[in-house]
Amino acid sequence: DAGVIQSPRHEVTEMGQEVTLRCKPISGHDYLFWYRQTMMRGLELLIYFNNNVPIDDSGMPEDRFSAKMPNASFSTLKIQPSEPRDSAVYFCASRLQGTEAFFGQGTRLTVV
Amino acid sequence: DQQVKQNSPSLSVQEGRISILNCDYTNSMFDYFLWYKKYPAEGPTFLISISSIKDKNEDGRFTVFLNKSAKHLSLHIVPSQPGDSAVYFCAASGMRFGAGTRLTVKP
Repeated sequence: DAGVIQSPRHEVTEMGQEVTLRCKPISGHDYLFWYRQTMMRGLELLIYFNNNVPIDDSGMPEDRFSAKMPNASFSTLKIQPSEPRDSAVYFCASRLQGTEAFFGQGTRLTVV
Repeated sequence: DQQVKQNSPSLSVQEGRISILNCDYTNSMFDYFLWYKKYPAEGPTFLISISSIKDKNEDGRFTVFLNKSAKHLSLHIVPSQPGDSAVYFCAASGMRFGAGTRLTVKP
C-alpha cells in the first residue's frame, strides 16, 4: 500500500478563496482523522470519521471549515472563505480500530 | 481544552546520553497512549505505545513509562543518537496530541 496520500502538497491561495484539501486513506482502515499543525497548538485534531461517518467535529475551528468522506477511500477538508490565519500544515491520518494511525505527508497551506 | 500536554517545547542532549520527554494528560478515561516522531516536511510516524494496564513498554532504545496516578507518561531514549533529532508528539487514545517537543541530539 502506498500509505495515506494527500493532495496537493502545497497550496497558495488568496484570502477569500475556497480551498479543498484531499486525502486517500490506507485501504481497509476504518478511521480517518484531519489535523492542523501550528507552532502554538501542535497537532490539533479537527475532525474524525469512523466508517465514513463524522464522529467528532468539535475541533473544527469555524463554520468556514467543512469535511466530507463520501466513501471509504476519499475525504476532503474544505475552507470557504479562506483567511490568512488558516495558514498551516494540514495532515490526514488513518487507522484500524485500536491500532496506531498512519499519517500522510501533509498539505502546506498558505493564504495570502 | 488541551487534554494532552507537553510542557517542554525543546530539549537538547549530547549523543550517547539519555533523552527524557514528558507528557501529561487530564482525561483518566484514556486507555492507551502513543508516541510519534516527526521529521521536517514529513508526516508523524508511530514510535511506541503503551496500554493503561501497563506501566512500562520497551522497544530497543525506546522505553515509555506510564504513571496513571499522576496522569503522566515519559519517553526515554537510551542512548540518544543524532538521527533521533526530531519533534516528538505524545498522543492519547482518541488521537488527541500534545504540542510536541523538539529533541536535538548533539554529536
